[in-house]
Amino acid sequence: KAGVTQTPRYLIKTRGQQVTLSCSPISGHRSVSWYQQTPGQGLQFLFEYFSETQRNKGNFPGRFSGRQFSNSRSEMNVSTLELGDSALYLCASRWDTGVYNEQFFGPGTRLTVL
Amino acid sequence: DQQVKQNSPSLSVQEGRISILNCDYTNSMFDYFLWYKKYPAEGPTFLISISSIKDKNEDGRFTVFLNKSAKHLSLHIVPSQPGDSAVYFCAASLYSGGGADGLTFGKGTHLIIQP
Repeated sequence: KAGVTQTPRYLIKTRGQQVTLSCSPISGHRSVSWYQQTPGQGLQFLFEYFSETQRNKGNFPGRFSGRQFSNSRSEMNVSTLELGDSALYLCASRWDTGVYNEQFFGPGTRLTVL
Repeated sequence: DQQVKQNSPSLSVQEGRISILNCDYTNSMFDYFLWYKKYPAEGPTFLISISSIKDKNEDGRFTVFLNKSAKHLSLHIVPSQPGDSAVYFCAASLYSGGGADGLTFGKGTHLIIQP
């Protein structure tokens, strides 16, 4: 079974631009979550989508948004990029949102904002 | 305020010995705990989990212990192998309403296994 895939793997943008990251979950998984990893803050939860609906959101500004399509693929968008948005963005999928099932992570997209 | 803390940024252990990684949490509502392992340039890989109704879970060389009264969990790796060298993240989840919330992670412990 193929794992979680994320595209692109690396991205360089400048301040003020916007960016869209893509995530394809493991086949059959209906939940997709996004996380941001930075050296200072560690891994932080952004949001989770299940059946095309956002069901959970972390403590991030409205510049961070996402969506999920009917095939469970998800995209994450960051508008008006700031230098502090430079990070590794990780996508994770799981079969359902029940508590007893672990999340499987993709390799991440490394975003650099100049 | 960090709800999940891993107070040791790094840990060095000799090959063949036991590695013990520690994690503390402050939110008593957390009811599910996980350990992930991460190599550079890869996403975290799930290792082992434990529900709050248990105090121990074992999977091969990996054992996780949970002490709810102390709000503390630990991961034991026995015996430690060179391939275990990686960053280990402790994560916690709580169940609310329609399902489990997003994972809250600690900042990780870099485990180095020395030959």
